[in-house]
Amino acid sequence: GESVGLHLPTLSVQEGDNSIINCAYSNSASDYFIWYKQESGKGPQFIIDIRSNMDKRQGQRVTVLLNKTVKHLSLQIAATQPGDSAVYFCAEKRYSGAGSYQLTFGKGTKLSVIP
Amino acid sequence: GAVVSQHPSWVICKSGTSVKIECRSLDFQATTMFWYRQFPKQSLMLMATSNEGSKATYEQGVEKDKFLINHASLTLSTLTVTSAHPEDSSFYICSAFSFLAGGEQFFGPGTRLTVL
Repeated sequence: GESVGLHLPTLSVQEGDNSIINCAYSNSASDYFIWYKQESGKGPQFIIDIRSNMDKRQGQRVTVLLNKTVKHLSLQIAATQPGDSAVYFCAEKRYSGAGSYQLTFGKGTKLSVIP
Repeated sequence: GAVVSQHPSWVICKSGTSVKIECRSLDFQATTMFWYRQFPKQSLMLMATSNEGSKATYEQGVEKDKFLINHASLTLSTLTVTSAHPEDSSFYICSAFSFLAGGEQFFGPGTRLTVL
């Protein structure tokens, strides 16, 4: 079946360096992709999303890149801070018939920031 | 704005008992609420989707008689795990959606269920 997955399960980064978290997807019909941050024992927190007709979108310290040719999504975090330590999930957003949408989550990458 | 709460944040129960988890949208009315389950070091898996006043739609493989969902109002949905067993131990997370709240799913903090 179609799914959203990640290349790397863990990533350790020195504080101040940039982090890159990758995600591969297989459903080319997705409308949006979303990155979430989940800290231990908490629910997911929205970081940034990108529409399927875009290649790049920037937020505060974060950039999401979408390569539709190879069905690859990445999240770049600039100047990584200890507070960025968490598990990051990419999710596929698919509109449902009820006016809402469903999310399909990838496996997650644990980011550890070394002080 | 767009705050979603869950209660309780954690619960421990004996095998065979039932547990109810509440999900509330505190500052907006949610037309749709979602329930997810997350096992340790794994991703979130959608269990069911519920719209206010109607029956929940369950994902394939999720037993609707075991995981009872009630969405009686636009600000409250409940998930009842009936006759819980140790394999039901998990992190249960709800999310709430409304176009008027920005058209995104807002997630609750989760409920950790441990069945002994």
